[in-house]
Amino acid sequence: AQSVTQPDIHITVSEGASLELRCNYSYGATPYLFWYVQSPGQGLQLLLKYFSGDTLVQGIKGFEAEFKRSQSSFNLRKPSVHWSDAAEYFCAVGAPRGSYIPTFGRGTSLIVHP
Amino acid sequence: NAGVTQTPKFQVLKTGQSMTLQCAQDMNHNSMYWYRQDPGMGLRLIYYSASEGTTDKGEVPNGYNVSRLNKREFSLRLESAAPSQTSVYFCASSGVRGRLAGGTDTQYFGPGTRLTVL
Repeated sequence: AQSVTQPDIHITVSEGASLELRCNYSYGATPYLFWYVQSPGQGLQLLLKYFSGDTLVQGIKGFEAEFKRSQSSFNLRKPSVHWSDAAEYFCAVGAPRGSYIPTFGRGTSLIVHP
Repeated sequence: NAGVTQTPKFQVLKTGQSMTLQCAQDMNHNSMYWYRQDPGMGLRLIYYSASEGTTDKGEVPNGYNVSRLNKREFSLRLESAAPSQTSVYFCASSGVRGRLAGGTDTQYFGPGTRLTVL
């Protein structure tokens, strides 16, 4: 069975600082990987996804993530955080075949200080 | 395209009352889902529907029923609401990556229904 862990419940950064949100997964082969963002009072929106190929993927709003097979990780990064990035971030793992239902992490809440 | 729409946005119920949460998508997706979101618990899958006419239980189905009315609409019913069902409910839809492989694809979420059961 697949699983995903987001070790940080809360992350606080200053506006303009760099950001890295951690995501570790468990899956028997190369998984499909997703990052979603949830702004306050909103539903989840896809930031980026990895299916295959280049392990560094670019997403919306200036975010990127890197798939590292050796570390079973898919960490989300942004070089300079804006106040509007304050939100809840969810990592999800899916399967290339046989199961279309993703497994979500419990989320990391990003707080941005001015 | 409206994407995924949910009604109502907010609802307050008394214990024992019933209600139906409505969800519709206009992306021609086969798969639809109902999640609940509680503080510190992330998203938990209540029910899902792989295609019109099929529904299956997720992680936390007790106290809920669903209906896949057609390809566009997937409703969630609380027959006798309990305070433990106070939560934010999200509907989502998705395609399937690789029609034969049946892999996970991007999910598209509605704006949520905030339900309070007193």
